Amino acid sequence: DTAVSQTPKYLVTQMGNDKSIKCEQNLGHDTMYWYKQDSKKFLKIMFSYNNKELIINETVPNRFSPKSPDKAHLNLHINSLELGDSAVYFCASSREGLTGELFFGEGSRLTVL
Amino acid sequence: GQQLNQSPQSMFIQEGEDVSMNCTSSSIFNTWLWYKQDPGEGPVLLIALYKAGELTSNGRLTAQFGITRKDSFLNISASIPSDVGIYFCAGDTHQFYFGTGTSLTVIP
Repeated sequence: DTAVSQTPKYLVTQMGNDKSIKCEQNLGHDTMYWYKQDSKKFLKIMFSYNNKELIINETVPNRFSPKSPDKAHLNLHINSLELGDSAVYFCASSREGLTGELFFGEGSRLTVL
Repeated sequence: GQQLNQSPQSMFIQEGEDVSMNCTSSSIFNTWLWYKQDPGEGPVLLIALYKAGELTSNGRLTAQFGITRKDSFLNISASIPSDVGIYFCAGDTHQFYFGTGTSLTVIP
């Protein structure tokens, strides 16, 4: 009965490959997010998405694309992976209004070789 | 993006000591939050602050939202080994932005 779940937890792949990370939340929240945490532990927002709008951090390369089949899911697809994409990616969700608590998943550690 | 600076970057303290860390920004935030991240886990909310000047406690944790809404501090009293982790401040405007983190090590 995990609130925000991500799969896979670990992902090792070669440069140039395309990969996806899945995220599901069972909290009934309206807004979901993807964050990237680099080796220095800095958490950087990549996307926020609800059923009304997608907000993209302008520094995120267009190789990254969020895909939401429904309100409970926000998957992250990455094309043409690069070495610098290696990081831990966190999915999170919150109630509409963007105030209050973010609920995070356990993270997906991506290693690009 | 918004920049939130936390200090200190890391702390090494003896069990039982009190801890103080702060977070500053050049931007005004509507809401200020403090999160803790354990190794291998996602951040978990500790305290949420909604009003300028608000002082809120959660057990041994106390946090305050600055009057200007550009800063906040978090205090932990009588630290214990399970307080180890990375503490993040986060500010909410149209999106959530996280601070640079304070790594806390508690020595038994």
